[in-house]
Amino acid sequence: DTGVSQDPRHKITKRGQNVTFRCDPISEHNRLYWYRQTLGQGPEFLTYFQNEAQLEKSRLLSDRFSAERPKGSFSTLEIQRTEQGDSAMYLCASSQSTDTQYFGPGTRLTVL
Amino acid sequence: EDQVTQSPEALRLQEGESSSLNCSYTVSGLRGLFWYRQDPGKGPEFLFTLYSAGEEKEKERLKATLTKKESFLHITAPKPEDSATYLCAVGGNRDDKIIFGKGTRLHILP
Repeated sequence: DTGVSQDPRHKITKRGQNVTFRCDPISEHNRLYWYRQTLGQGPEFLTYFQNEAQLEKSRLLSDRFSAERPKGSFSTLEIQRTEQGDSAMYLCASSQSTDTQYFGPGTRLTVL
Repeated sequence: EDQVTQSPEALRLQEGESSSLNCSYTVSGLRGLFWYRQDPGKGPEFLFTLYSAGEEKEKERLKATLTKKESFLHITAPKPEDSATYLCAVGGNRDDKIIFGKGTRLHILP
């Protein structure tokens, strides 16, 4: 399978705990994006990388959120001190340059 | 500010009943308009990219068209397996983000 993969697919955590998600992009793609999607809404941009450089972060991304792409390949998204409002589907996408973005299956986060 | 509005929010059709979904957009210099299909609990699946007004693309029962202000996704003789949420997104020349609409939930009745 050469598509975008995400791990885990589902995560249930208690309020105040830290969680980390992983995304593996399509191998030849140099750009990697993170989105958040809640029920009935379209995906909402969080941040993106070109190779290992984080080029833009949404104003929606609070200080509790951090993302890395250390070697320009896979990426991690960490949420510290989770809140119930963080419950959502977290989507990763990759692209070659500014062309079409291809999405992974998502990580469903539930904060109790 | 770049913006995408999709209509209707939800649409129920009988199998074989053709229809169109609308995506209205405002963007500072269109880099691309994207259509995706999303099934419940899954990530969006890419359908089409349109780059300039007048462009059309087809795939099976789907056809996407683009004008300077809106795009249509035409569904011809749909089948129950076409039931999904269809998302529209635009990318502008100002940055590398794409902005999504809220989607149209399509339900095809057998």
